Amino acid sequence: EIVMTQSPATLSVSPGESATLSCRASQSISSNLAWYQQKPGQAPRLLIYGAFTRATGVPARFSGSGSGTEFTLTISSLQSEDFAIYYCQQYHNWSFFGQGTKLEI
Amino acid sequence: QVQLVQSGAEVKKPGASVKVSCKASGYTFTSYSISWVRQAPGQGLEWMGYISAYNGNTKYAQNFQGRVTMTTDPSTSTAYVELRSLRSDDTAVYYCARDPSGYEDYWGQGTLVTVSS
Repeated sequence: EIVMTQSPATLSVSPGESATLSCRASQSISSNLAWYQQKPGQAPRLLIYGAFTRATGVPARFSGSGSGTEFTLTISSLQSEDFAIYYCQQYHNWSFFGQGTKLEI
Repeated sequence: QVQLVQSGAEVKKPGASVKVSCKASGYTFTSYSISWVRQAPGQGLEWMGYISAYNGNTKYAQNFQGRVTMTTDPSTSTAYVELRSLRSDDTAVYYCARDPSGYEDYWGQGTLVTVSS
């Protein structure tokens, strides 16, 4: 089983600033990584797949990077609607999600 | 536009089974797999498995093997997940999602399954 570890658990940032979220895999997953955003009471929304490809309709302020075991989601110029929980997911070998990072104001 | 519409909330007793449906529209149903993901109250996301809508092949997460069955009905563009021998820790929101290649790009609205005596 590939374990996905996200850090930090909670990140406090002010609107207009940037946020950097990390995701580490317990073994190499190449670029088979996706990022999702989830707001309370809503289904997750795909942001990034293939480690860095933005999904349809996702603003350019969301960017993904990394490969192998270390991955980053960067959100620049945070908007009020960006405060949510973010999950990474590896789909290299079966599929597992990280435990999430809560991005709060 | 792509839409996945799930069936309504369910309340089940321990030991019972539940079957949740997911009706797809806005794309060619047999061109994608459907994944199922659940989320217990206040917890993270747990991948349950997927089914190819093209040929019915399935892959179930180890935690659910022997207790879960995923099926599709291409004639109605509907996917189903059945979970048997329900326990209280199966209480969760169950999501279906379209799976282009391992990740999930469109999600249903979720179905709350409550297991309680």
